[in-house]
Amino acid sequence: AQSVAQPEDQVNVAEGNPLTVKCTYSVSGNPYLFWYVQYPNRGLQFLLKYITGDNLVKGSYGFEAEFNKSQTSFHLKKPSALVSDSALYFCAVRDWGSGGYQKVTFGTGTKLQVIP
Amino acid sequence: GAVVSQHPSRVICKSGTSVKIECRSLDFQATTMFWYRQFPKQSLMLMATSNEGSKATYEQGVEKDKFLINHASLTLSTLTVTSAHPEDSSFYICSGSGGAGGELFFGEGSRLTVL
Repeated sequence: AQSVAQPEDQVNVAEGNPLTVKCTYSVSGNPYLFWYVQYPNRGLQFLLKYITGDNLVKGSYGFEAEFNKSQTSFHLKKPSALVSDSALYFCAVRDWGSGGYQKVTFGTGTKLQVIP
Repeated sequence: GAVVSQHPSRVICKSGTSVKIECRSLDFQATTMFWYRQFPKQSLMLMATSNEGSKATYEQGVEKDKFLINHASLTLSTLTVTSAHPEDSSFYICSGSGGAGGELFFGEGSRLTVL
């Protein structure tokens, strides 16, 4: 069964500093990996995805993520954090079961707090 | 990105009544739609996956007779919470996918409160 782990419930970072939100995954085949952001009482917004190709994926709002197959990780990064980046971040993996059945599994979420 | 419209955003109902939540993909055809439930300060719990024109596939522990999902067209899926009870109060989020390998596009969520 596929799974996603986000080991940190919360990450605090000072404005202007680089940020990293960690994610590791477990999936039987080649993973489709995603990062989403959620603001309070809102749905999720897509940030970026990795399917194949370059291990460094660039996404929305200056975010990027690095796919590391050997470590089964897909950490989210940003060179310089903004206060407006404060939100809940979810890592997700999409896999294909038998009969074309798709399943998307989300991590438990990491609350990012950017301190002015 | 593609837009998914979810309505209503908030609904309050009495215990024992049924509530329908609609999820529409506005600018793409959602061959697959996912319904999630989110508890406060928790992750998304997948309730069911539906493909257009087919019966939904429910996750273990989700009552299919209580949470009725219909995906009648490529742009509309509905979730009906039947005979709602206070423990059904939650934040429900739908998402749609246009095809293989694609990201999910999420609705804004529906806050259900059952009195």
